[in-house]
Amino acid sequence: SQKIEQNSEALNIQEGKTATLTCNYTNYSPAYLQWYRQDPGRGPVFLLLIRENEKEKRKERLKVTFDTTLKQSLFHITASQPADSATYLCAFFNDYKLSFGAGTTVTVRA
Amino acid sequence: EAQVTQNPRYLITVTGKKLTVTCSQNMNHEYMSWYRQDPGLGLRQIYYSMNVEVTDKGDVPEGYKVSRKEKRNFPLILESPSPNQTSLYFCASSFGGSYSTVAGELFFGEGSRLTVL
Repeated sequence: SQKIEQNSEALNIQEGKTATLTCNYTNYSPAYLQWYRQDPGRGPVFLLLIRENEKEKRKERLKVTFDTTLKQSLFHITASQPADSATYLCAFFNDYKLSFGAGTTVTVRA
Repeated sequence: EAQVTQNPRYLITVTGKKLTVTCSQNMNHEYMSWYRQDPGLGLRQIYYSMNVEVTDKGDVPEGYKVSRKEKRNFPLILESPSPNQTSLYFCASSFGGSYSTVAGELFFGEGSRLTVL
């Protein structure tokens, strides 16, 4: 069965550094993938979408890559700020279903 | 304001007592979906709907029912709730209409925390 794994449950970094999150998938050939941010007790909020024929996508301090050979997506937050502290979810879209990873909780220390 | 509204936000109920969680969106979206979120398991899709009267099972549909009689509403029905359905539930919608647009941004509600005793 298809499986999505995010590299770690938690990531602690110093303000100003770059946070890199990893999302891997198996038994899957997604056409699109998305990244969401979720704050405690709130619904996820969409950040970025990248298609299988795109290698990289940027939005302000965020960057996403999509490597279909490695079956992996990387999510980068550059010049991180305490306000970036949240849980980040990757999601793969295939066959009209959007399947999510369990999430990585990022804490940015001032 | 564009939004997805879920009710109730919090509910404690007992095993076997039928309940409905309502979901409504005001963005004229065709695609709607229900997810449950449990610690360590992430968001798992329960059911989704491509349009009015078109629904299909997600990854964890057992014990749930849905209906899509109107475009804006997509209620989740638990006919006979059990303790393993204690969870945080999210409704979401997106523009839909075709494969590529269904894959677009999902708008989520604020969640409904359900406890079944």
